[in-house]
Amino acid sequence: EPEVTQTPSHQVTQMGQEVILRCVPISNHLYFYWYRQILGQKVEFLVSFYNNEISEKSEIFDDQFSVERPDGSNFTLKIRSTKLEDSAMYFCASTGSDSYEQYFGPGTRLTVT
Amino acid sequence: LAKTTQPISMDSYEGQEVNITCSHNNIATNDYITWYQQFPSQGPRFIIQGYKTKVTNEVASLFIPADRKSSTLSLPRVSLSDTAVYYCLVGERNRDDKIIFGKGTRLHILP
Repeated sequence: EPEVTQTPSHQVTQMGQEVILRCVPISNHLYFYWYRQILGQKVEFLVSFYNNEISEKSEIFDDQFSVERPDGSNFTLKIRSTKLEDSAMYFCASTGSDSYEQYFGPGTRLTVT
Repeated sequence: LAKTTQPISMDSYEGQEVNITCSHNNIATNDYITWYQQFPSQGPRFIIQGYKTKVTNEVASLFIPADRKSSTLSLPRVSLSDTAVYYCLVGERNRDDKIIFGKGTRLHILP
């Protein structure tokens, strides 16, 4: 069964550093998302992406965040200057044109020290 | 988006049938009911979706009464590996729509 993959599985970074989280959505999917989950809290929507542009973003997704689909397979989330409160699991998801369900990746655990 | 209410947590035993009920009194005509499952330290996973009556797949059944103001996710003969958080979501089916997750129901299966 096709699946969404994410790398790295765990990223440790120092406050103020830039991080790039990488996702490979399912190959024929067209809609892409990033969510995050702070430990013990709800899964929160960050951003959705379609046709090479952001469809919607949440209040969390401020100027420190950006997304990119640099080629036909990768979908990245960049945090320009990380803060301690950015520590969370970050999930990528994708949806195809033939389905309404979102397929989530296994997540990247980001730890900001 | 219709507000949903589901139990915060439930315990059950291996081999039992588990029913998790979700209330959504303000469900709209175009809304569907969708359930996701999240295992610890993993991403959410779609389980089942329905509009009315009953839907069944290899994982679960979803029962929706005629007024659609509630729904019940039924997991037959659970095992320890069914320990997870289960989220009830109500909304229109749009492919580019975000999912707004609530706290879900934390299901704990005991041996």
